[in-house]
Amino acid sequence: DTAVSQTPKYLVTQMGNDKSIKCEQNLGHDTMYWYKQDSKKFLKIMFSYNNKELIINETVPNRFSPKSPDKAHLNLHINSLELGDSAVYFCASSQERFSYEQYFGPGTRLTVT
Amino acid sequence: DQQVKQNSPSLSVQEGRISILNCDYTNSMFDYFLWYKKYPAEGPTFLISISSIKDKNEDGRFTVFLNKSAKHLSLHIVPSQPGDSAVYFCAASATSGTYKYIFGTGTRLKVLA
Repeated sequence: DTAVSQTPKYLVTQMGNDKSIKCEQNLGHDTMYWYKQDSKKFLKIMFSYNNKELIINETVPNRFSPKSPDKAHLNLHINSLELGDSAVYFCASSQERFSYEQYFGPGTRLTVT
Repeated sequence: DQQVKQNSPSLSVQEGRISILNCDYTNSMFDYFLWYKKYPAEGPTFLISISSIKDKNEDGRFTVFLNKSAKHLSLHIVPSQPGDSAVYFCAASATSGTYKYIFGTGTRLKVLA
């Protein structure tokens, strides 16, 4: 009964491919997030959705497109993958947009070759 | 521009002693601070937080101290236990903004038995 789950855990793909990472939370939270942790260990927010509405959209290439079919799911689709996209991607959720405590998924390690 | 800095990438402490992890920030708008703990192959988990209206918050073996004038916070773990071995991230947020977190790059704590 994992609170925040992500699939897949590992993803190895070639440059130019399109891939998706799925995230689901069963906590009943209203807000979900995508973070990227790069090789230098910086953990940076990419997007945030509150009740399926985009509320945070950092400077992220257009190749990244989040999709929230319902408030329990926030998927990340990446087009035309580049070497620099290799990172660990974390999904997180919080009870509401003004909650400070966020619950993180286990991460998806994406390797682009 | 790294607004939240953890200048010590690693720290080793004997079991039973105090662990002190430090974090500095540059943005004076930050008024809420958190510490997260991360084990390998898992997402970060919330540990403790502090608002800028306080200078100390305690939860069991964990205490966070905030020095606003120095823009510095620290996490004290007393007594340290081997199970505390993990990477610790500090994060900061501005409540007047979008509530997004800015994370430090983490400090790897190793508690030696």
